[in-house]
Amino acid sequence: TQLLEQSPQFLSIQEGENLTVYCNSSSVFSSLQWYRQEPGEGPVLLVTVVTGGEVKKLKRLTFQFGDARKDSSLHITAAQPGDTGLYLCAGEGMAGNMLTFGGGTRLMVKP
Amino acid sequence: EAGVAQSPRYKIIEKRQSVAFWCNPISGHATLYWYQQILGQGPKLLIQFQNNGVVDDSQLPKDRFSAERLKGVDSTLKIQPAKLEDSAVYLCASSPRGRFDTEAFFGQGTRLTVV
Repeated sequence: TQLLEQSPQFLSIQEGENLTVYCNSSSVFSSLQWYRQEPGEGPVLLVTVVTGGEVKKLKRLTFQFGDARKDSSLHITAAQPGDTGLYLCAGEGMAGNMLTFGGGTRLMVKP
Repeated sequence: EAGVAQSPRYKIIEKRQSVAFWCNPISGHATLYWYQQILGQGPKLLIQFQNNGVVDDSQLPKDRFSAERLKGVDSTLKIQPAKLEDSAVYLCASSPRGRFDTEAFFGQGTRLTVV
């Protein structure tokens, strides 16, 4: 079983602050996805990174895939209360037949 | 485009009872996943179907859990008998293909409480 560890598990910050969430594994993934989940809803895809070293930006969110395709980070600039939620990373195995999720980072942005 | 539909949204049962969840994936999606999400944790894959065949069920507790996807469309997940530790949200997801760079579309989930 491929394991993904996310850190931190919980993060409470003030509006306007920056933050970084990490997703680490000892396994190599063919692709890595970041999802955001709100209470009572299923996760919703934010981005997929495929190439080692790849960086993708989505407005104030910056996603990076590690060179060795074992880790990833999510950086949020000038966080807003609307960013509050559970952020999940998910790795797709090299065989392409399993999507494994990390434990999640619960973010709260206070106004 | 209609999303992934799941029912029921909520279910409360006593331990040792049985329960079934239903999922209707997005039309045309070949891959269907069932995940278990315990409060405060990330989703854990229970079983993955490609059309009507099982791709992976290594983490499905087969002594009490079963799942089927007849005709490669709808799917049901059953628990019999339920235990207290089965209390969780059961998420169904589908994706158009099963290999590489694939987005999983999730339903709202079924929240199961076993008392």
